[in-house]
Amino acid sequence: GAVVSQHPSWVICKSGTSVKIECRSLDFQATTMFWYRQFPKQSLMLMATSNEGSKATYEQGVEKDKFLINHASLTLSTLTVTSAHPEDSSFYICSARGTIAGNQPQHFGDGTRLSIL
Amino acid sequence: DAKTTQPNSMESNEEEPVHLPCNHSTISGTDYIHWYRQLPSQGPEYVIHGLTSNVNNRMASLAIAEDRKSSTLILHRATLRDAAVYYCILSNAGNMLTFGGGTRLMVKP
Repeated sequence: GAVVSQHPSWVICKSGTSVKIECRSLDFQATTMFWYRQFPKQSLMLMATSNEGSKATYEQGVEKDKFLINHASLTLSTLTVTSAHPEDSSFYICSARGTIAGNQPQHFGDGTRLSIL
Repeated sequence: DAKTTQPNSMESNEEEPVHLPCNHSTISGTDYIHWYRQLPSQGPEYVIHGLTSNVNNRMASLAIAEDRKSSTLILHRATLRDAAVYYCILSNAGNMLTFGGGTRLMVKP
């Protein structure tokens, strides 16, 4: 089946650091990628939707200058958490979708656990 | 967005069938019913989806009520590896997924 690779799996860094998370579709072209955030014991919350070659669409309450999203190719999207602070510590998950024909499923990465000290 | 309602948790015995219910009384004609599951410390995994007819795949079966206001995910023989949070999600052509609380399935040996 379709595979989405997310890197790194976990990262621990100091407050004020910027952290980049990569999301790659390994065996299909992802026209759209989604970024989610999940706090402990909570459900996934959609942060933003990115289409290849265009600006990401952010959900209400998500700061676009804080969470920079780049979707420069059909197989790679990156999320950069700029000047991260402890409240940004969370589980970040990406997903990718090829075509929307027939409402095909999204394929998820295994997530990145971000801990800001 | 049309919402879904699922029980917070369910228990099952290993090797027995499991029926996970989902209510979606405000579903629109273009909404697909998707099921994903999330194992601890992992991203969600696609399970199955359908529009009107019942669907079967190697992982599960999806039974959709005739009025489409409810559906049931059926795991034919639960294993310990099926212990996860199962999410029932409605998705239209835009294919955005809005995750609710899901059902935490516990499987007893």
